Amino acid sequence: QKEVEQNSGPLSVPEGAIASLNCTYSDRGSQSFFWYRQYSGKSPELIMFIYSNGDKEDGRFTAQLNKASQYVSLLIRDSQPSDSATYLCAVRDDKIIFGKGTRLHILP
Amino acid sequence: NAGVMQNPRHLVRRRGQEARLRCSPMKGHSHVYWYRQLPEEGLKFMVYLQKENIIDESGMPKERFSAEFPKEGPSILRIQQVVRGDSAAYFCASSPLAEETQYFGPGTRLLVL
Repeated sequence: QKEVEQNSGPLSVPEGAIASLNCTYSDRGSQSFFWYRQYSGKSPELIMFIYSNGDKEDGRFTAQLNKASQYVSLLIRDSQPSDSATYLCAVRDDKIIFGKGTRLHILP
Repeated sequence: NAGVMQNPRHLVRRRGQEARLRCSPMKGHSHVYWYRQLPEEGLKFMVYLQKENIIDESGMPKERFSAEFPKEGPSILRIQQVVRGDSAAYFCASSPLAEETQYFGPGTRLLVL
């Protein structure tokens, strides 16, 4: 059974600080990794994808991938109240498998 | 460029009725995926379709659920004889190719009374 694990949270982070979200996966053959943001009652929205080991930066967001340790993380710099949402990690091998998400709460 | 479209956005059915959920992929996308999300749960893969073909239905319940993606028109997820446990948000996603990023529609929230 392929699994994607995330801490459900809530993770509370003061406004302006760095939020760090982590995800581990069980299938070593996974090739593609995605972070989606989902506001309550809304659909998932793609934030970033990463395929190679290392860091990938896009604005305030940085995705980090370590295939040897089978984890992928998302850093959000200068956290804003509008970043408060559930963040879904997704991993693709033959199909995309989603984690249950981490609820992030940015404290004003 | 319109995104993935789903309708209806909300659907109320009584136990035993049929529910039909529709999904129109983004322009240029020929791959469609259906997911179900229960409250406080993650997204569960149901089925992956291309035009006129079911590629992977490993996440579909064996009974009452079916999906199609005809040559013309939207993809349809059909649930026959709905039960209360079918109440959930059903999301459709599309991608231009099988290995590409999936983009989600707004979802259909099904409530079974």
